[in-house]
This record gives sequence, C-alpha cells and structure tokens, in this order.
Amino acid sequence: DAMVIQNPRYQVTQFGKPVTLSCSQTLNHNVMYWYQQKSSQAPKLLFHYYDKDFNNEADTPDNFQSRRPNTSFCFLDIRSPGLGDAAMYLCATSRDSRGQGKGVTEAFFGQGTRLTVV
Amino acid sequence: AQSVTQLDSHVSVSEGTPVLLRCNYSSSYSPSLFWYVQHPNKGLQLLLKYTSAATLVKGINGFEAEFKKSETSFHLTKPSAHMSDAAEYFCVVSDLYNTDKLIFGTGTRLQVFP
Repeated sequence: DAMVIQNPRYQVTQFGKPVTLSCSQTLNHNVMYWYQQKSSQAPKLLFHYYDKDFNNEADTPDNFQSRRPNTSFCFLDIRSPGLGDAAMYLCATSRDSRGQGKGVTEAFFGQGTRLTVV
Repeated sequence: AQSVTQLDSHVSVSEGTPVLLRCNYSSSYSPSLFWYVQHPNKGLQLLLKYTSAATLVKGINGFEAEFKKSETSFHLTKPSAHMSDAAEYFCVVSDLYNTDKLIFGTGTRLQVFP
C-alpha cells in the first residue's frame, strides 16, 4: 500500500548529540511536512517542502534542519538536541493542486517518531 | 488569516450515545476543512474532508460532519460511540487559495465510558 513511513518509531539520543529522523513516501506527493508534537498539544509545523522549495516557519529554531534529496525522502536533523526537544515528530505529505486553484489536498501522516533526549 | 477553534478540550460520552465535537473556522476564502483522529502514540488519520462539494460529509468509522457557512462551523458527529473511538480529534483548515499549509485546532480528547 502507498504510504508514509517514518524511521525509527522510537529514538533515544543524548543531550547535544546530533540525531536524524527519516521519512519516506510512496505516494509521489510534492509537498512534505515536518511537525513537532508535544504531549497533549496539537502538531506544530516546523517546515515544509513544496517540491524542492524549502519553507521554514518563522519560529522554528536553527537547531532544526531538513533535507529532501528526492521526492520520496525527507530528513529532519536536530543538530544539538536539548531536553525540550523531546517530542513526537510527524512527517506528512500532500499533493498540492494549486495548479487547479484548489489549494492543498488532505495530508497523509506517518506513524511518527517518538524522540527521547537523555 | 485562517484559523480553527475547537470549542471543547475534553468530551466524555457513554458507549452507544451520540458524539458531538465542535469546530468553528475562520477563513478569508472558501476553506478546505478536515477532521483527523490520533490514537495514543500514533500518527494522524484522516476521518473526513470538506472541499466545497456536498455540505454533509461522511467519513470513516461512522463519523460525519456538516459544513455550515452561515455559522462558520464544521462539527463532527457520530450517532453511537464505540470504545475504540476514544482518541484525540483535530479540526484542520487549509485555505484554498493562499497557502499550502494546514492549520490545526488545539484538539479535543474524546473519552468513552462503558
């Protein structure tokens, strides 16, 4: 089945040690998103790619970076994780239909990566 | 700017009774609206979506929502709650013309008691 896959499901990293979370999709969607979700809160958009165009949210810390080497893969790099970065990280994709004047269609989410910082 | 407001942070119902989760939206243009469900430690799953077609939208697992432009509402309902419906529900808006971003409501936690 076409889907959005995040690896790993659970990641434990040390304070200050760089960590990379990965996301792959078989939907061939041109838009990919990274969200951070803390306990009992709504997902917070960190950044998204529209094709290869990177769109950073104004309040996303510089500690968070992203790479999208091709349509199928997207990575979230946390350069120096702090205790406050412990959260669920969600990857999502959508097929923008902007060309038809309809805006973005629904987003498809991966199962998330639960990051623990020790 | 577009936004959504979920009017209840928690809703508790008994199994077999109706569910109502309320959502109001604000959008400059005709919005696309979505309801997502999230079970503990899982990703978000789309329940249903409204994209300017029929105002009564039927989704998965017996859920439905009605788009009411005059009330700027998109409430989620289900006639009879099941224990497996216990989860977090998010109302989401996407502006049709101005953005390729999704705007999330703060979420409603649904508890279902036996």
